[in-house]
Order: sequence, then C-alpha cells, then structure tokens
Amino acid sequence: LAKTTQPISMDSYEGQEVNITCSHNNIATNDYITWYQQFPSQGPRFIIQGYKTKVTNEVASLFIPADRKSSTLSLPRVSLSDTAVYYCLVALTLDSNYQLIWGAGTKLIIKP
Amino acid sequence: EAQVTQNPRYLITVTGKKLTVTCSQNMNHEYMSWYRQDPGLGLRQIYYSMNVEVTDKGDVPEGYKVSRKEKRNFPLILESPSPNQTSLYFCASRDLAADTQYFGPGTRLTVL
Repeated sequence: LAKTTQPISMDSYEGQEVNITCSHNNIATNDYITWYQQFPSQGPRFIIQGYKTKVTNEVASLFIPADRKSSTLSLPRVSLSDTAVYYCLVALTLDSNYQLIWGAGTKLIIKP
Repeated sequence: EAQVTQNPRYLITVTGKKLTVTCSQNMNHEYMSWYRQDPGLGLRQIYYSMNVEVTDKGDVPEGYKVSRKEKRNFPLILESPSPNQTSLYFCASRDLAADTQYFGPGTRLTVL
C-alpha cells in the first residue's frame, strides 16, 4: 500500500536553503510527485512537480533519486514569507484507478 | 481569471440540519474533488469526480454526498451534519491531461 511520509515540522533562517524530504514507497513508474504550499486560511497552491531526476522552476527545485522512493523539495534562500505548510502528493494509477496519496504536511517556520 | 470558488466561506450550523457547500470552476476541468482538512491529519479526500455524472468515494466519504450534473459545479451535501464534520473543506479541480490541482479558498464549517 502506497504511503507518503514527511517531517511534521522544520525551521530555518532567512537566506538559508531548506530541503524537505518526502518518502513514498510503492509508487508506480509513471506516477508524478507534486508539492504544494499552504498558508493559513488559504487553499494549497502548486509549487513544483516531477517524475524523475531534477526539476527546477522559479521558486523551487525537486530532486528525485533513481529508485523514486523519496523526493526532496529544495527552497533556495528562504524568506519569512516562505513560512507555510508544505505537502507532498503522489498520484497513483493502478488498473485505471486514479488515487491521490497526500503526506500529512511539513510546517516550515522561517526565522529572521 | 482562472479560479475555483466555494460558498459559503464560513458556516455555523446545528446537528441534523441539511446543508450544501457549492463549488464552481471556470477552467473546463474534467476532474473535481472535495477534501477536508483537520489539524494533524493533513488533507483527506472525501469524494472525487472524473467527469459529469461520474463520482467516486475518496478516503472519508461517510456522511457526505456529491453530485456532478454540470462540468463546472461540484456541490458537497451534508444530509444530516454531525459535530465530527466540523472541519475546513476544500474543493479542487484539475485538467486530466495535467497533474496540477487548483484549490478553492476553503469553507470553514462548524456543526454544533
């Protein structure tokens, strides 16, 4: 049974690089890994998505090792406004059934 | 502007009084879903719909109903709300060709 596991909380300081890792066993070959950011009183917002190796956009990078049993969201040079909850999401497609497996979220606190 | 809207944003009701939370998206997405979010439990999927007239149970469907008569609307119905359904609810939609979900702003429901 697929499951995603991520740390409950992390803290860091402004200007630092922050890496949040999510473990996801048993994901299938064609399944994507997606990360969302959520601020209080708002819905989750898409950050980045990847399938394998490395993906980079204007806000983050996503590293996925060859075995795809984990992924790491990397936030370069964080600021106070990056304080939020970050969710890892794996989409599974098994026998034409589409299933979403959410992590429980990592509360990231950035300190000045 | 592409968006998912939910109404109401806040609702306080009493046990047993039927209620409906509306959800609408203007992106012509086939896939829509409802989540509830509770402290320490992250996002849990209630129901989802792959297209008009096609709905399926998510992880926590008990006590909820949905309908998908039109592509843009996906209302969540609580026939007889109970206090354990006090939660923050999010509607989301996505294009089946992509894996990115767009979330509504959330509905905070309190059942007394």
